[in-house]
Amino acid sequence: EDQVTQSPEALRLQEGESSSLNCSYTVSGLRGLFWYRQDPGKGPEFLFTLYSAGEEKEKERLKATLTKKESFLHITAPKPEDSATYLCAVQSGTASKLTFGTGTRLQVTL
Amino acid sequence: DAGVTQSPTHLIKTRGQQVTLRCSPISGHKSVSWYQQVLGQGPQFIFQYYEKEERGRGNFPDRFSARQFPNYSSELNVNALLLGDSALYLCASNKPGNTEAFFGQGTRLTVV
Repeated sequence: EDQVTQSPEALRLQEGESSSLNCSYTVSGLRGLFWYRQDPGKGPEFLFTLYSAGEEKEKERLKATLTKKESFLHITAPKPEDSATYLCAVQSGTASKLTFGTGTRLQVTL
Repeated sequence: DAGVTQSPTHLIKTRGQQVTLRCSPISGHKSVSWYQQVLGQGPQFIFQYYEKEERGRGNFPDRFSARQFPNYSSELNVNALLLGDSALYLCASNKPGNTEAFFGQGTRLTVV
């Protein structure tokens, strides 16, 4: 059974203070690892898909990286509008379902 | 282009009642999946439909059922509602052959 563990559960940063969120996973045959952003009461917003170890993707202040056991979401010089819950999910084998972690709640203050 | 649309946005039901939630995928997307998200948790997979056929089912009781229509829209039905069914129900759609799932804004179901 696929498992995803995210840490920390919550993170409070000051504006401009860079940090990383962690996603550890256990799957048999990774098909893809996904990062989503979710604002309170809204559906998850797609950010990145990573397919193989060593892959990196960037979008504005966010950069996602992947190893064989974990993924990191690096946030560089965050702004208050980056405050949200960041969800990590995996897809494995031939299944289409996503298995999500419980998320990291990020708060960025002035 | 319109994203994934879900209706209604909010719903309050009484224990034992039945509920139907609706989802319209992004134009050109033929796969629809349903997820349940309890407060403070990540979404949990319920069903996936592709070309009107069920292609995956999560660990949910038979009270949960779904279907997909010829226009690729979908309905999720939950019978005999329990207090524990209170959650945000999310619908996601995929392009054919594409692993990236795009979510709607969800339906907030409260069972009292």
